[in-house]
Amino acid sequence: NAGVMQNPRHLVRRRGQEARLRCSPMKGHSHVYWYRQLPEEGLKFMVYLQKENIIDESGMPKERFSAEFPKEGPSILRIQQVVRGDSAAYFCASSPARGGGGYTFGSGTRLTVV
Amino acid sequence: QQQVKQSPQSLIVQKGGISIINCAYENTAFDYFPWYQQFPGKGPALLIAIRPDVSEKKEGRFTISFNKSAKQFSLHIMDSQPGDSATYFCAASGVNDMRFGAGTRLTVKP
Repeated sequence: NAGVMQNPRHLVRRRGQEARLRCSPMKGHSHVYWYRQLPEEGLKFMVYLQKENIIDESGMPKERFSAEFPKEGPSILRIQQVVRGDSAAYFCASSPARGGGGYTFGSGTRLTVV
Repeated sequence: QQQVKQSPQSLIVQKGGISIINCAYENTAFDYFPWYQQFPGKGPALLIAIRPDVSEKKEGRFTISFNKSAKQFSLHIMDSQPGDSATYFCAASGVNDMRFGAGTRLTVKP
């Protein structure tokens, strides 16, 4: 059981480029959540997805950010035209069921925008 | 909006002492209250969790106390050790997602 796999672990992008963050949930988990963590801050909810569906994206910025969880393959968090303020650690978690806890987190992707 | 409020922001405790971190929530629909431990450069890891039908849960040196009427819960770490030094997040989960507190950075001095 490999746990939640996130890649890359570190990502450096220049301002204006696109960042793609990948998350493979634990085996048997069909619910995926993305969180953003700024230095010295807590975890901010971004989006909750099930296979092929976005359930709750109330924490996603309205522009430049998008997420998907296709039928096959990992969940992708995509940030277009990155700016310095996007620099953060992005964590993915997965769970076997909707709500009720049971979240398992990945090790995160640390995005640095230069 | 901040649905889970956590305090203190940072905490320094001597080895062997008791560490206490408090959280309060607003949404009465939350039905699962976990605590996560995060070491630098790592993802949060589930430490201990409680459901609102019990008032206390203990696992080793870690205890959650839960007060449903006050909508508050706390983490107690007994006999704190330097290896416990980490950031601790409380959380509250409902149907759709989990909301986290802002975190408490615990330092246990030897």
